[in-house]
Amino acid sequence: GAVVSQHPSRVICKSGTSVKIECRSLDFQATTMFWYRQFPKQSLMLMATSNEGSKATYEQGVEKDKFLINHASLTLSTLTVTSAHPEDSSFYICSALQSSYGYTFGSGTRLTVV
Amino acid sequence: ELKVEQNPLFLSMQEGKNYTIYCNYSTTSDRLYWYRQDPGKSLESLFVLLSNGAVKQEGRLMASLDTKARLSTLHITAAVHDLSATYFCAVVFPGSARQLTFGSGTQLTVLP
Repeated sequence: GAVVSQHPSRVICKSGTSVKIECRSLDFQATTMFWYRQFPKQSLMLMATSNEGSKATYEQGVEKDKFLINHASLTLSTLTVTSAHPEDSSFYICSALQSSYGYTFGSGTRLTVV
Repeated sequence: ELKVEQNPLFLSMQEGKNYTIYCNYSTTSDRLYWYRQDPGKSLESLFVLLSNGAVKQEGRLMASLDTKARLSTLHITAAVHDLSATYFCAVVFPGSARQLTFGSGTQLTVLP
């Protein structure tokens, strides 16, 4: 079946620094990937949709200059949280869409900003 | 507004009992998903329901879809402790660029 590898699984960073999260589709090509944020005891909130080779589409209220998304190849999308602050601490999950497999989720990244 | 509503939000049940989680959505869709999430983990796909009247079963879980009522149910039969988790439904609405809209989730606790 389809596998999406997400790294790192956990990261702790200092306020003001940047963190990059990678999401790779291992055995299929994903033209579309989605990035979600999940706060404790809450549902998944879509942050942005990335399409290979084009600019990401951000949801209302999500700062595109703060959450940089790059989808440079059919198997890799990255989310960079720039100038991180404690309120950015959250669980970030990527999802890849492929016609045969539907939606496949990464294992998630727990970001803690101190 | 495109909305997906789940109820109940919290559910405690005794082992061996049956219960149903409900998922209502605001407008037409023919594609609904159920996921399970364990604490600290990502989502595990349970069911994909693609047409009106679709019913799928896996072990003690059974999901159904009524597109006319805009309602899906996840029925739990003879619950066991291992089913304790948070369950989400998610819908793809037409014109949404294939984005999933998630319900708020149902936190299920199965008590011995």
